[in-house]
Amino acid sequence: NAGVTQTPKFQVLKTGQSMTLQCAQDMNHEYMSWYRQDPGMGLRLIHYSVGAGITDQGEVPNGYNVSRSTTEDFPLRLLSAAPSQTSVYFCASSYLLGLEQYFGPGTRLTVT
Amino acid sequence: AQTVTQSQPEMSVQEAETVTLSCTYDTSESDYYLFWYKQPPSRQMILVIRQEAYKQQNATENRFSVNFQKAAKSFSLKISDSQLGDAAMYFCAHYGGSQGNLIFGKGTKLSVKP
Repeated sequence: NAGVTQTPKFQVLKTGQSMTLQCAQDMNHEYMSWYRQDPGMGLRLIHYSVGAGITDQGEVPNGYNVSRSTTEDFPLRLLSAAPSQTSVYFCASSYLLGLEQYFGPGTRLTVT
Repeated sequence: AQTVTQSQPEMSVQEAETVTLSCTYDTSESDYYLFWYKQPPSRQMILVIRQEAYKQQNATENRFSVNFQKAAKSFSLKISDSQLGDAAMYFCAHYGGSQGNLIFGKGTKLSVKP
């Protein structure tokens, strides 16, 4: 099993550009989520999904969209990148709500 | 609001010695999970240990163990026989409730001296 995979590992965007961060898992987990990690802070939830076709907002959703058309994939879209979105982004999945989450390797995004 | 507090931004330990990282949390739930994650310089988040709140017995995984005090809402991590590879950021996390997300502390940076 590959676990949770994310692409790309690094990305530089200009202000106003859009892009999609890819996330996939092969563990048949229903729950998937996106976090961002900023210096000196833990991880904060952006969006999450409890199953295919179901998504909801987390703590810091503004400027991001998600969709969940399959159990395996959970892409995160930045609509119009801003410097405040410079961060490390993690995708995670778990078998059940409340259990441990397995994380992808992260994407370091810089917006200039 | 549910919070997780790690009061030690940085810790240092001598190789082969024991170190304890502190964590306190706040929750209104009666049944929940607590976790410690390790983040080495590679930035990968690695699950170290998990504790179920309904279990009185403290969780143990090889050199890693926890001291779980439910009434005090305290969840410390003890690393025995510290190794150079233990150097990393350590995050305490608590299940946040209906959103299913983890609430993370701000982390403790552990250095291991040879």
